[in-house]
Amino acid sequence: GESVGLHLPTLSVQEGDNSIINCAYSNSASDYFIWYKQESGKGPQFIIDIRSNMDKRQGQRVTVLLNKTVKHLSLQIAATQPGDSAVYFCAESPDNYGQNFVFGPGTRLSVLP
Amino acid sequence: KAGVTQTPRYLIKTRGQQVTLSCSPISGHRSVSWYQQTPGQGLQFLFEYFSETQRNKGNFPGRFSGRQFSNSRSEMNVSTLELGDSALYLCASRYQRGTGELFFGEGSRLTVL
Repeated sequence: GESVGLHLPTLSVQEGDNSIINCAYSNSASDYFIWYKQESGKGPQFIIDIRSNMDKRQGQRVTVLLNKTVKHLSLQIAATQPGDSAVYFCAESPDNYGQNFVFGPGTRLSVLP
Repeated sequence: KAGVTQTPRYLIKTRGQQVTLSCSPISGHRSVSWYQQTPGQGLQFLFEYFSETQRNKGNFPGRFSGRQFSNSRSEMNVSTLELGDSALYLCASRYQRGTGELFFGEGSRLTVL
């Protein structure tokens, strides 16, 4: 929404460059991780998910990397486009049912022309 | 296929009043979750309903309640409103509980004066 995260960390990238958005999660027991994108005035939109038995998963122009040792998740967006400008959230769940998702604070991605 | 529909989109209430928000999930989706989004606290899980039963509940006081009907539509209610309840309330549906692919509505923006 328009007032999401007034003081969010911001990542600015040039159109066409690759973006890397990082997320540190809190629960070492978390089993399931998801990335969401939220454009201004809209609800979050699912991008990609990964379960704890994997360390990498690829989608269309996006790759999620999971490092369980340091509890770190990253989202890589290839050839960033203006339409990628949004707030990106990572979310973790303690089980494979995706219960009680805990969302991170979000990162604002700004794509420069 | 129609998306998740939330009503009303905007509403203003005063302290002490109560409010009911409505959510119609995507056709065929039986799980409905509710989230509160504020600039300060981010996205926080309220509760999830599946087949008319509350399956999970977040860390919110008992003033926040919900229900789900046999057609999967859901309502959430907040009683004795406080200023801090001002937020964007998001509803999300999913086909089954084993996936993290939540489909969010655009939210109901509640302002408490």
